[in-house]
Amino acid sequence: DTEVTQTPKHLVMGMTNKKSLKCEQHMGHRAMYWYKQKAKKPPELMFVYSYEKLSINESVPSRFSPECPNSSLLNLHLHALQPEDSALYLCASSQDWRDEQYFGPGTRLTVT
Amino acid sequence: ELKVEQNPLFLSMQEGKNYTIYCNYSTTSDRLYWYRQDPGKSLESLFVLLSNGAVKQEGRLMASLDTKARLSTLHITAAVHDLSATYFCAVNFGNEKLTFGTGTRLTIIP
Repeated sequence: DTEVTQTPKHLVMGMTNKKSLKCEQHMGHRAMYWYKQKAKKPPELMFVYSYEKLSINESVPSRFSPECPNSSLLNLHLHALQPEDSALYLCASSQDWRDEQYFGPGTRLTVT
Repeated sequence: ELKVEQNPLFLSMQEGKNYTIYCNYSTTSDRLYWYRQDPGKSLESLFVLLSNGAVKQEGRLMASLDTKARLSTLHITAAVHDLSATYFCAVNFGNEKLTFGTGTRLTIIP
């Protein structure tokens, strides 16, 4: 099973809302990632978790808050977002940070 | 600076023709990945290249890696419409993350 799942597929939220994105993998991977992708651009790394610890935060605004409750789950908590945060949010996982990353289907986020 | 450059950025080619996408990177690495992305979809892994001289082939796509030249190529043979997509190369520079190229948007014209 080489699947990474993400929920929800689509999310529309107002600038005062709080919502969460969820990512799950059951491949025993120990590294998990959040990316943000704008149209016609490559994915931009936001966070890296390695062995359930946050190892990289690419200077992401505090309105994005990651959480790794266990080795299979990764959440991204959203609060007071701006319209420019509208994008495709991708989760990925890999056996180790050196290894191939497998991407989930993404959450299409629209902030109104 | 750790950089990955792809060219061309846009490629429009006729069905049945051959073409090559180039991926150059700025400093030593022996881990390079090619991904495909269809519009509105996620990234699909195509090839993993882990050593100098590595060559991988799948259908009409073939990828190679020259670590001395810091260059990878993705060769398309006898293109068909189904290959229309955006292709990204990505390099692991040993810093716990992938650095992506700008992407090549490929359109196959009948």
